[in-house]
Amino acid sequence: EVQLVESGGGLIQPGGSLRLSCAASGFTVNSDYMSWVRQVPGKGLEWVSVVYSGGNTYYADSVKGRFTISRDNSKNTLYLQMNTLRAEDTAVYYCARLARYAFHLWGQGTMVTVSS
Amino acid sequence: QTVVTQEPSFSVSPGGTVTLTCGLTSGSVSTNYYPSWYQQTPGQAPRTLVHSSDTRSSGVPDRFSGSILGNKAALTITGAQADDESDYYCGLYMGSGIWVFGGGTKLTVL
Repeated sequence: EVQLVESGGGLIQPGGSLRLSCAASGFTVNSDYMSWVRQVPGKGLEWVSVVYSGGNTYYADSVKGRFTISRDNSKNTLYLQMNTLRAEDTAVYYCARLARYAFHLWGQGTMVTVSS
Repeated sequence: QTVVTQEPSFSVSPGGTVTLTCGLTSGSVSTNYYPSWYQQTPGQAPRTLVHSSDTRSSGVPDRFSGSILGNKAALTITGAQADDESDYYCGLYMGSGIWVFGGGTKLTVL
């Protein structure tokens, strides 16, 4: 079955760090564009970051310099390293597989709460 | 900074037709932005409906159709059903590795 399963969310204090994981099955993460999208509960979707199959990475201005997207081909897993977390980073984080410039496969999401 | 615009809310009667739009505060949406549309119900991950302006994703009923109308991308639901009541988001590829979502439209079927 082709699916994505996120993990790693939780409660973290402002200024702290957290690493999210997204385990893929049914395909290989290094063969497609892979992305992170977040959503504040009750609000809209916000694109966060993408890694291209060739390895190029891109970020939304709101997270540039603080977040790093990466992948481990041996574990077939996508990651999002989040540093210097702020209250406004509180959201559900989804990983997604891109094709034809659209987000075609979504995980179930993992909640990140930044609060003291 | 260019913002992607959507109607905050829309209402449609069961069996009716509704067109949701996706625009830009500066400029026009074209196929070069590869518009895509997503449906989301509370507590669930988004579901992809349309990509590349007008291509339905696998398993999506043909009552959902995408297009470019004037200077906006559009999602038309023909013969709306009760379970179409959801939030709908458009996504645009802005180039240079950057994507942006619209603020979403809350669709009520009543």
